[in-house]
Amino acid sequence: DVKVTQSSRYLVKRTGEKVFLECVQDMDHENMFWYRQDPGLGLRLIYFSYDVKMKEKGDIPEGYSVSREKKERFSLILESASTNQTSMYLCASSPTGTDNSPLHFGNGTRLTVT
Amino acid sequence: LAKTTQPISMDSYEGQEVNITCSHNNIATNDYITWYQQFPSQGPRFIIQGYKTKVTNEVASLFIPADRKSSTLSLPRVSLSDTAVYYCLVGSDRGSTLGRLYFGRGTQLTVWP
Repeated sequence: DVKVTQSSRYLVKRTGEKVFLECVQDMDHENMFWYRQDPGLGLRLIYFSYDVKMKEKGDIPEGYSVSREKKERFSLILESASTNQTSMYLCASSPTGTDNSPLHFGNGTRLTVT
Repeated sequence: LAKTTQPISMDSYEGQEVNITCSHNNIATNDYITWYQQFPSQGPRFIIQGYKTKVTNEVASLFIPADRKSSTLSLPRVSLSDTAVYYCLVGSDRGSTLGRLYFGRGTQLTVWP
């Protein structure tokens, strides 16, 4: 069974801090994704990566950056946290080579920026 | 990307069969239909996926009519632990649409004892 592990379930940070959210998957998936989930807005794609050191902007990349130095690890970075980045952050992975492979999600990190 | 319409909420009792219908009038030829389940404070979990007719697994069944403009997720004999939000997604999750399948608001299913 695919396991996607996010390093923290809950995180509280101050405005202006640099924040790192870590995600690790154990199934050798090529694709990895970061979403945020807000009430009434559903899931929105922030960034994704289809290979090591490759990254693509999603629909709401502003204020975020990502890093993928190893295949199994995908990090989301908030360069200078702001209160409007308070949200649930979800990491997901999927393999390539198979049409429409389902996404495998982690349990999320609930980030509060004060 | 094909958008979907599904009920915002549904209620059921333990032991009943639950059918959640999703409308997707502008589904494209290459699009698949995928359902996810999400519990509070957890990430969505894949339930079932289909392209046409009927698909069944150990968790649910998915019914897709010939015109593919709608689909129905069927949960047999629900229990309290099936209380969750269910999302219907339509699209082709590859290429330019990779990772961009629309989750929407989903259907909040509440199962009562």
